[in-house]
Amino acid sequence: QVQLQESGPGLVKPSQTLSLTCIVSGGSISSGGYFWSWIRQHPGKGLEWIGYIYNRGGTYYSPSLKSRLTISIDMSKNQFSLKLSSVTAADTAVYYCARAGGYQLPYDPWGRGTLVTVSS
Amino acid sequence: QSVLTQPPSVSGAPGQRITISCTGSSSNIGAGYDVHWYQQIPGTAPKLLIYGYSKRPSGVPDRFSGSKSGTSASLAISGLQAEDEADYYCHSYDKSLSGSVFGGGTKLIVL
Repeated sequence: QVQLQESGPGLVKPSQTLSLTCIVSGGSISSGGYFWSWIRQHPGKGLEWIGYIYNRGGTYYSPSLKSRLTISIDMSKNQFSLKLSSVTAADTAVYYCARAGGYQLPYDPWGRGTLVTVSS
Repeated sequence: QSVLTQPPSVSGAPGQRITISCTGSSSNIGAGYDVHWYQQIPGTAPKLLIYGYSKRPSGVPDRFSGSKSGTSASLAISGLQAEDEADYYCHSYDKSLSGSVFGGGTKLIVL
């Protein structure tokens, strides 16, 4: 059974780059045509899609974040990563990684989420 | 402003049936893309509840059901239980954004 776990700093300074990694266990990130995804949730708010990377190649980003966003995959470490540059307080959120079987398929499973606070 | 529109809250007494609507447009639900529903207990990650409009993952009680009509989808919960109190989100794909879209979430209050 595939499990996902986010890791990374819980505090990032404004204007710096937020970097998170999602470690995949219980299965190979290189198998199947999965979409490895990042989703965030601002405090007390709803879910916001950030983007995903397809393990056969290709990334798809939210238009509102695209200019600051990089999602990459490291098959040798069985993990994928998120980098969001030039962060502000508006990027403070719980960040989730999740897997989808296709671009219009559901997200399952999800990681437990990690809170990232942007503050000096 | 979420691309998919949900009511902020719904409530019902134990044993009752409630529905939560999710309204989209011709670039997502109306274009025929699947709708999925998640349940989120505060402080935890969302859990897949319904996929492909009406299918239930293993372990989800049949009290939960989903449907679609035009540019909208609905989640129904019958025989409400106190443990159903949570936030519920709908999710679909939007061809204009070339990515996933979520509803703003609906808080279910069990009276």
